[in-house]
Amino acid sequence: VELVQSGPEVKKPGASVKVSCKASGYTFTINGISWVRQAPGQGLEWMGWINPYNGNTKYAPKLQGRVTMTTDTSTNTAYLELRSLISDDTAVYYCARVDIWSGYHVLGVDVWGTGTTVTVSS
Amino acid sequence: DVVMTQSPLSLPVTLGQPASISCRSSQSLVYSDGNTYLSWFQQRPGQSPRRLIYKVSNRDSGVPDRFSGSGSGTDFTLKISRVEADDVGVYFCMQGTHWPETFGQGTKVEIK
Repeated sequence: VELVQSGPEVKKPGASVKVSCKASGYTFTINGISWVRQAPGQGLEWMGWINPYNGNTKYAPKLQGRVTMTTDTSTNTAYLELRSLISDDTAVYYCARVDIWSGYHVLGVDVWGTGTTVTVSS
Repeated sequence: DVVMTQSPLSLPVTLGQPASISCRSSQSLVYSDGNTYLSWFQQRPGQSPRRLIYKVSNRDSGVPDRFSGSGSGTDFTLKISRVEADDVGVYFCMQGTHWPETFGQGTKVEIK
């Protein structure tokens, strides 16, 4: 099982960024994908998750309205789009496979992606 | 949100000696199905996190039996029976019982 993410991004405040996460080694539509970020010197922050089987999503309230998670089942790829970027969005963004869940509730993640550094700077 | 508090935040250890990391949650992590969704992850320098333990005490495939997890309710512990050089990195706990998932601040394990 492997999750390979897209390369680093540098964006200006107010711009948007789209990060990809390509899955391999398992049936993509069986497990959800969570997104987690880690700002410099900060802890990990859960952003939300998507169920590739039906496209259902659940987002962290503080990001609602700025974040969109999608998947392309033809290429086994998950995407995270974050809009209206601010400096506080500077972080390493990880996707992670959900291996334990109940309905819309993520109970556990196992394999993590390679990470994508997003820098927001004027 | 449930607050996960780890201690210590820095842990210098002698090779071959044991190490122990504590993780405490601000609420009980027992889920409605009776399980406790507390996981431990290892993040080696420059690498992505790797899960070691899930549901408090279940080791993931390929994880050495030097690593063990224990605890219940709000108090949890990760133990390394004999620290090896390969164990250097940051260890963090994560709870999935309460939405949203939350993480401990991380404990940096280094060799003395």
